[in-house]
Amino acid sequence: DAGVTQSPTHLIKTRGQQVTLRCSPKSGHDTVSWYQQALGQGPQFIFQYYEEEERQRGNFPDRFSGHQFPNYSSELNVNALLLGDSALYLCASSLERGTSGNTIYFGEGSWLTVV
Amino acid sequence: AQSVTQLDSQVPVFEEAPVELRCNYSSSVSVYLFWYVQYPNQGLQLLLKYLSGSTLVKGINGFEAEFNKSQTSFHLRKPSVHISDTAEYFCAVTEGGGFKTIFGAGTRLFVKA
Repeated sequence: DAGVTQSPTHLIKTRGQQVTLRCSPKSGHDTVSWYQQALGQGPQFIFQYYEEEERQRGNFPDRFSGHQFPNYSSELNVNALLLGDSALYLCASSLERGTSGNTIYFGEGSWLTVV
Repeated sequence: AQSVTQLDSQVPVFEEAPVELRCNYSSSVSVYLFWYVQYPNQGLQLLLKYLSGSTLVKGINGFEAEFNKSQTSFHLRKPSVHISDTAEYFCAVTEGGGFKTIFGAGTRLFVKA
């Protein structure tokens, strides 16, 4: 049973560029959340997708956008990259059952370095 | 708004000694509480969670946590740690009915031989 998979694992971008990160949820999961984890900090919630729609968003600017596909996989896009966007980006999946207490499973993340 | 405070950024402890990692939260509604562990260069793995019922929750690798509603705390404990427990530990909270999980800043547990 494959867990949450993310790609790429590492990437380097130049300030002002755009980046797309990809996530495949754990088998059977239909809900995907994205988190940003800066060095030495806890994960910060970016947004969550369910039924191909963004249903809650954290305190991140519109430069951060996402998409969920019919097969539940998801993409995170960041435009106009800033040095401060350098972080580990974590994807997490869960099964929607009308409760927020379901366990969320994390991928190993995509390390983004902006230079 | 909900928030999570992990009171210790680093906890050094000798192997086979007991350990407690402290976590306090703030929320105006009912919450679900979680502890996650992150080993170097890996994603987060769930240790245990409290949804309802018994306030003492047992998790994997011999860890347990106690939910204290009056003190809004959810401290993580282990009676005897191993070198392999060296990792970053995160406390997290989700408000009942919400979709966003808020994480603390993490506590680095360093187990010494």
